[in-house]
Amino acid sequence: AQTVTQSQPEMSVQEAETVTLSCTYDTSESDYYLFWYKQPPSRQMILVIRQEAYKQQNATENRFSVNFQKAAKSFSLKISDSQLGDAAMYFCAYQNNAGNMLTFGGGTRLMVKP
Amino acid sequence: DAMVIQNPRYQVTQFGKPVTLSCSQTLNHNVMYWYQQKSSQAPKLLFHYYDKDFNNEADTPDNFQSRRPNTSFCFLDIRSPGLGDTAMYLCATSRRTSGGASETQYFGPGTRLLVL
Repeated sequence: AQTVTQSQPEMSVQEAETVTLSCTYDTSESDYYLFWYKQPPSRQMILVIRQEAYKQQNATENRFSVNFQKAAKSFSLKISDSQLGDAAMYFCAYQNNAGNMLTFGGGTRLMVKP
Repeated sequence: DAMVIQNPRYQVTQFGKPVTLSCSQTLNHNVMYWYQQKSSQAPKLLFHYYDKDFNNEADTPDNFQSRRPNTSFCFLDIRSPGLGDTAMYLCATSRRTSGGASETQYFGPGTRLLVL
């Protein structure tokens, strides 16, 4: 069974600084998808970024980028120029190529200090 | 804008009193999911529909049922809610391709259920 681990329950960052959230996963599959979702307090879970395992190039979305290390089974999220609106719970998630199930990590609560 | 809508956003019910939560989508996705998320925890998949094909997770209690009358709507029925069912319930949708792979899941805003 696949597992996803987020080792940082809480992180904080100063506004305009850069922060990296860690995620590791365990799988025997070679083809799969990885996601970072953001869930602000009492608000909707939204997709931040998606990575296909067969792609070597790291995905980027504006200020958000990932460092995907397939051999190490690591998938960290870097947020550049942090903004107050980035404060949220961030979930790393895994989905295999054939399945419907998302396996979530335990989440990292990010606080942004003004 | 295409979206996933959940109603109601907040629901209070009494112990043992049946409750139904609603999800609708305008994305025309063929897969719909229900997740339970307890405070400060990750979402936990309860079940999903691929078109009309229902797929239950092995550890989902029998107390939880679902209906999908058409592509756009999916309901979560809790037959006899217990105090432990207090949680956020998230609906999500995705598209499954002809090759069988499911694409990105998009979430609704959730229904916060309180069982008293």
